[in-house]
Amino acid sequence: AQSVTQPDIHITVSEGASLELRCNYSYGATPYLFWYVQSPGQGLQLLLKYFSGDTLVQGIKGFEAEFKRSQSSFNLRKPSVHWSDAAEYFCAVALYNNNDMRFGAGTRLTVKP
Amino acid sequence: EAQVTQNPRYLITVTGKKLTVTCSQNMNHEYMSWYRQDPGLGLRQIYYSMNVEVTDKGDVPEGYKVSRKEKRNFPLILESPSPNQTSLYFCASSLYRGRDSPLHFGNGTRLTVT
Repeated sequence: AQSVTQPDIHITVSEGASLELRCNYSYGATPYLFWYVQSPGQGLQLLLKYFSGDTLVQGIKGFEAEFKRSQSSFNLRKPSVHWSDAAEYFCAVALYNNNDMRFGAGTRLTVKP
Repeated sequence: EAQVTQNPRYLITVTGKKLTVTCSQNMNHEYMSWYRQDPGLGLRQIYYSMNVEVTDKGDVPEGYKVSRKEKRNFPLILESPSPNQTSLYFCASSLYRGRDSPLHFGNGTRLTVT
């Protein structure tokens, strides 16, 4: 069955440390791939997306993600985390259009001072 | 300012009392959608609409209704709420339904049904 997996429910990192959030998908074809961030009390905001081309994509707030077809992964990275990055992060995939978009269960990020 | 506005932000109700959560967007978007967010499950789509008077079920439509009489509004109706509908609800819109059209989300409605 088609699925999106975020293996880490909760991650804690120190401010200034690097971050990697994992996302794996299980689809027959390569879907469009997205990362969203949800700050407390807010809706989801698009961080970045991958459609085709360069497998390393840059997003807002200093985030980047790398698409690896061989691993069916789209991991989110940031070299140096800021306290304001504490939020929940969702990986999402869309195979054909927005009404087949599927979201992972989310990874909650805590940033230690 | 371009936005998706949901009301109310918080709602506590009792089992069986009909309620409506409103959603309005000011971006002239064709596509609108409702999701519910539950811990460990991410966002699941309830209903979506591709344009005025065109709506269809998502993955978890049971117990919900929607309507799209105007392009900007897409209310979510719970005719007889039950405790298993306690959740965080999000409305989203995009210019069109294509997967290259970014979704814009409202700030959410936290519903508690007792």
